[in-house]
Amino acid sequence: DVKVTQSSRYLVKRTGEKVFLECVQDMDHENMFWYRQDPGLGLRLIYFSYDVKMKEKGDIPEGYSVSREKKERFSLILESASTNQTSMYLCASTGRDRGVTEAFFGQGTRLTVV
Amino acid sequence: DQQVKQNSPSLSVQEGRISILNCDYTNSMFDYFLWYKKYPAEGPTFLISISSIKDKNEDGRFTVFLNKSAKHLSLHIVPSQPGDSAVYFCAAGRRGSQGNLIFGKGTKLSVKP
Repeated sequence: DVKVTQSSRYLVKRTGEKVFLECVQDMDHENMFWYRQDPGLGLRLIYFSYDVKMKEKGDIPEGYSVSREKKERFSLILESASTNQTSMYLCASTGRDRGVTEAFFGQGTRLTVV
Repeated sequence: DQQVKQNSPSLSVQEGRISILNCDYTNSMFDYFLWYKKYPAEGPTFLISISSIKDKNEDGRFTVFLNKSAKHLSLHIVPSQPGDSAVYFCAAGRRGSQGNLIFGKGTKLSVKP
């Protein structure tokens, strides 16, 4: 059974803290993505990576950075957490392009910044 | 500018009846479309997909219809069950984009017993 695992289901952090969200996939997928989901706004892409050590900005990268040191792991970093970063964070991965390319999602991390 | 639009934020349906969720897109270059289902506090799960060369794909109670000329797709759930209550996201993708999907904002479906 394919799996994308996010390190935490729920997190509460203080304003100004540096926050790390970890994501691991066991499907040997090349591509990994970080989204945030907010009511009424759907899924918005923060960053993605097509290969180890490669990263690309998505639609809303401000206030975030990422790290991909190993193929299976993609980390999202909030440099200095702010209350407007309170959200549900979703990690996803996809394999090589083969026509219809399905994204597999982790269970999500509900982050609250106080 | 939104490339994938789900104009109905919510939909309420009686158990046993048909649920129809709609999605419009603006980019004629999309090669395939997918529907995802999401329960609260969980990640989205893949439901069904359709290639742009087809106009219908069916999987059990779920059928997706694609009208390329209208740039419109819809997901039909028949019969609807209370367990189908969730947020449904429409997504579109292009070959060569490494699975970088464009998502709609979602429609919250409530199926009432």
